[in-house]
Amino acid sequence: QKEVEQNSGPLSVPEGAIASLNCTYSDRGSQSFFWYRQYSGKSPELIMFIYSNGDKEDGRFTAQLNKASQYVSLLIRDSQPSDSATYLCAVTKGLAAGKSTFGDGTTLTVKP
Amino acid sequence: GAGVSQSPRYKVTKRGQDVALRCDPISGHVSLYWYRQALGQGPEFLTYFNYEAQQDKSGLPNDRFSAERPEGSISTLTIQRTEQRDSAMYRCASSSDSKGQPQHFGDGTRLSIL
Repeated sequence: QKEVEQNSGPLSVPEGAIASLNCTYSDRGSQSFFWYRQYSGKSPELIMFIYSNGDKEDGRFTAQLNKASQYVSLLIRDSQPSDSATYLCAVTKGLAAGKSTFGDGTTLTVKP
Repeated sequence: GAGVSQSPRYKVTKRGQDVALRCDPISGHVSLYWYRQALGQGPEFLTYFNYEAQQDKSGLPNDRFSAERPEGSISTLTIQRTEQRDSAMYRCASSSDSKGQPQHFGDGTRLSIL
């Protein structure tokens, strides 16, 4: 079992819909959780991070964390074709710098 | 520079040769990370530094892999006696060491071992 698991997809949603991306992790000591977006052939870029249980909103993006269930999700509202990418979940043990463990990503396609 | 710079962008070499991959982080970033990413997979942690100190090298696959950051800025990842299985995209990232600071990734070095 991988330390960080994501559905590989592909996940396809129509433009304007909500896309829901999920991630589970195995290390209960994990404290920092990140969502990165990676366009094909490009490097990952951070879109959200979360530390505390609950929801964190930033524009069209909402990250949700449930440490008891070892589950973190990313919701993308009003999905746009430009959101089509692979979304990587990353987990770090500490609150600051440190080793990050990445999932293999979920590929999202937003159809116009 | 404005971002993380990696060189070379592409490296093709014969099996058995040594290679050195370079990473120039964002100016002022304390932490520097090396990852390896296979096609269709997420980045796999190799090692990271705070300043010049190597904090964690648990991800280095074997003793052919080493990394250094002697002055706390530029880092070099060295692979000795390369094997075909070493072929991958090698990514470097840097960050400040403050809470919540993202890792900024470079464009990577595509390594191909013939």
